Amino acid sequence: DIQMTQSPSTLSASVGDRVTITCRASQSVYLWLAWYQQKPGTAPKLLIYDASSLESGVPSRFSARGSGTDFTLTIDGLQPEDSATYYCQQYDSSWTFGQGTKVEIK
Amino acid sequence: QVQLVESGGGVVQPGTSLRLSCAASGFSFSDFGMHWVRQAPGKGLEWVAVISDGGSDKYYADSVKGRFTIFRDNAKNTMFLQMHSLRVEDTAVYYCVKDRGGGWREAFHIWGQGTRVTVSS
Repeated sequence: DIQMTQSPSTLSASVGDRVTITCRASQSVYLWLAWYQQKPGTAPKLLIYDASSLESGVPSRFSARGSGTDFTLTIDGLQPEDSATYYCQQYDSSWTFGQGTKVEIK
Repeated sequence: QVQLVESGGGVVQPGTSLRLSCAASGFSFSDFGMHWVRQAPGKGLEWVAVISDGGSDKYYADSVKGRFTIFRDNAKNTMFLQMHSLRVEDTAVYYCVKDRGGGWREAFHIWGQGTRVTVSS
């Protein structure tokens, strides 16, 4: 099974900051990687698919890149509503999620 | 408007069975693969099972293989998860998820609101 490892587990940043979350796969997942945002008590929301494609309706401050085993999600200009847990997910071989990164606003 | 509505969750004892339902609307249900994903209290996301658009292909996480069965009724735009031999560790919110397209390599596009399953004696 492909394991997904995110870092950091938690990060705290100020409004307007640029934040980056890293996701590493235990083997290549090519471009078959997605990012999700989950706020407490709600279902996850798709932000990015196919490693770097922005889902319709998602603010352009969210971007992502990577291929193979190393991927990043960047929020350029952190907003209060971005406080959430972010998950990466591979869908190359079965489907597995990273453990999540909690983003807090200072 | 694309919508997925889960139902059927509840509190059950270990070893018993439960059937979850997912009612879909706002899209051509029979054109998309569908998944169940669960989230234990305070934990991350765990993929549980997938069913192909036509219903002929199904895959399961090792943690539920042999105990859970996924199936769908395309005429009624509904997907199900039949859960047997429930364990305490099956306690979670179960989400119904629509993928983005018709193939296997698709992100999870639309999520239901979830239904809570609690397995406790």
